[in-house]
Amino acid sequence: SQQGEEDPQALSIQEGENATMNCSYKTSINNLQWYRQNSGRGLVHLILIRSNEREKHSGRLRVTLDTSKKSSSLLITASRAADTASYFCATDALSEKLVFGKGTKLTVNP
Amino acid sequence: DVKVTQSSRYLVKRTGEKVFLECVQDMDHENMFWYRQDPGLGLRLIYFSYDVKMKEKGDIPEGYSVSREKKERFSLILESASTNQTSMYLCASSSPRGRALQFFGPGTRLTVL
Repeated sequence: SQQGEEDPQALSIQEGENATMNCSYKTSINNLQWYRQNSGRGLVHLILIRSNEREKHSGRLRVTLDTSKKSSSLLITASRAADTASYFCATDALSEKLVFGKGTKLTVNP
Repeated sequence: DVKVTQSSRYLVKRTGEKVFLECVQDMDHENMFWYRQDPGLGLRLIYFSYDVKMKEKGDIPEGYSVSREKKERFSLILESASTNQTSMYLCASSSPRGRALQFFGPGTRLTVL
């Protein structure tokens, strides 16, 4: 069953702009993760935020988590053409399994 | 460098054939997973395993089986391939101590004709 839902489904921006993607989920979680997938490849883990954390940074990535609204956002600052990829949120639903959303396809135009 | 490898990047099979997709990880992870990814549907869990010789059904196990005889290897089997099993198949592994953080292989794009 799909728990995470990303929004928007697709996003197109210019290099240097910021990109914001949102994720909503339905049940209680231990943590929420964001993954990136380049076209036709496997997923790569970007960042993990625990349920008791509200914000986390990693390089140009900023993730927020609002457990009261069951939502998270991923902000990529100063985007580059190399950031072009699909981005997925994944929740653990209190187990070792992850439930992935359908992803946001980000295109960064040079 | 941690690594999850899958036996093929691209595979073309005919309807009715038995298909084996192999996944190997070198991180001594206990957990291994098989997903399929289809446009508009995201990743869907087929089967997973928390230990050798152990398997659990995911969300869409119908038409698939798995085998885990060794800790590092998790095989996905399509007993009789059908055209609706044309998809991208992704293998992943994780450690129970890793907060469910999963490491993915490069994927196998399977086409069933």
